[in-house]
Amino acid sequence: EPEVTQTPSHQVTQMGQEVILRCVPISNHLYFYWYRQILGQKVEFLVSFYNNEISEKSEIFDDQFSVERPDGSNFTLKIRSTKLEDSAMYFCASRRGEGTEAFFGQGTRLTVV
Amino acid sequence: AQKVTQAQTEISVVEKEDVTLDCVYETRDTTYYLFWYKQPPSGELVFLIRRNSFDEQNEISGRYSWNFQKSTSSFNFTITASQVVDSAVYFCALSDYNTDKLIFGTGTRLQVFP
Repeated sequence: EPEVTQTPSHQVTQMGQEVILRCVPISNHLYFYWYRQILGQKVEFLVSFYNNEISEKSEIFDDQFSVERPDGSNFTLKIRSTKLEDSAMYFCASRRGEGTEAFFGQGTRLTVV
Repeated sequence: AQKVTQAQTEISVVEKEDVTLDCVYETRDTTYYLFWYKQPPSGELVFLIRRNSFDEQNEISGRYSWNFQKSTSSFNFTITASQVVDSAVYFCALSDYNTDKLIFGTGTRLQVFP
């Protein structure tokens, strides 16, 4: 069964460093997302991406964040200068079309020290 | 503004009990979608069900059933004869036709004891 794959599963980084979280969405999906979940809290929307551009972003998604779909299969989230409060589980998701269900990857746990 | 409320923070039951997880939503849109996701201790988010706003028919899938009532803006989830493997955090979520992002509730942690 096709699935969304995220790498790495866990990343530890020093404050101020740049990190890139990687995702391979399901191959025939057209809509891509990043969400995050601070430990013990709810899942929060970060950004949606369709047709090679950002379609919507939340207030969390400030200038430190960027997304890219560099090669038609990968979908990355870059955090330019990490802060302690960026520590969270980051989920990538994809879906086929409007109103269809989103399938999530297993998440990348980012720990900023 | 869109909002999803899961008032039950944590529920504990003994195996074989039935349990209902509540979800109340707010939206001004007439076309919207409701979802349930399961987050087991391993952390991933597992899709369980999607309903659109025009389909109020209740759904049953094995031990799982969902009750969608537009009149009360609720989309409740019932697990019949719960099992230890049902222990997880369950999230209700909402999206509308104009914005495809998911708005999640705060989740309900279900613990099923043997």
